[in-house]
Amino acid sequence: DQQVKQNSPSLSVQEGRISILNCDYTNSMFDYFLWYKKYPAEGPTFLISISSIKDKNEDGRFTVFLNKSAKHLSLHIVPSQPGDSAVYFCAAKRNYGGSQGNLIFGKGTKLSVKP
Amino acid sequence: DAGITQSPRHKVTETGTPVTLRCHQTENHRYMYWYRQDPGHGLRLIHYSYGVKDTDKGEVSDGYSVSRSKTEDFLLTLESATSSQTSVYFCAISGAGRPAFFGQGTRLTVV
Repeated sequence: DQQVKQNSPSLSVQEGRISILNCDYTNSMFDYFLWYKKYPAEGPTFLISISSIKDKNEDGRFTVFLNKSAKHLSLHIVPSQPGDSAVYFCAAKRNYGGSQGNLIFGKGTKLSVKP
Repeated sequence: DAGITQSPRHKVTETGTPVTLRCHQTENHRYMYWYRQDPGHGLRLIHYSYGVKDTDKGEVSDGYSVSRSKTEDFLLTLESATSSQTSVYFCAISGAGRPAFFGQGTRLTVV
């Protein structure tokens, strides 16, 4: 069973507009969530994270929202740029602190930002 | 990227042969991980290490073994490679309370 779900395999957005990537999870024990960005032939790169004690975390053009009651999080990119075109992975872990790399990943959403 | 190196970057091997992938870090991080990425599955944890000689299984550990004799090196071994182990393998490292940082990946093809 998938514990972390990214139901949209792909998303296409116009440059300058907002990109919203969604992620749902089923395990209520998850208390720390991360987004990674991946370009072809490269390793995933950490983008932004949020702990379950918060409902929003912002870093420049990237904002992650967490709705614990719905077990849903989303990544907003504003404004979207062509260089944001990549695969975005949502990931989750239990027990904030300690080992941050023991993660459960979603399948990813491929974002295409068109000029 | 600086700090973590995977070798080899590409490998083709025959079914039934042993294969060892190496992950080397220069960050002195305690935690190291091996993931595999396959189409339709995202990334899945194979094994991880929380210190020298301290390792544990991840989500998809069958057919794989690991060793960590030094802080900087984490080896992933396929004792007898199978076609189902054709994948892209990523090593990651993390310090306590810090997000995992991934290597560039090793593309392994088992024919």
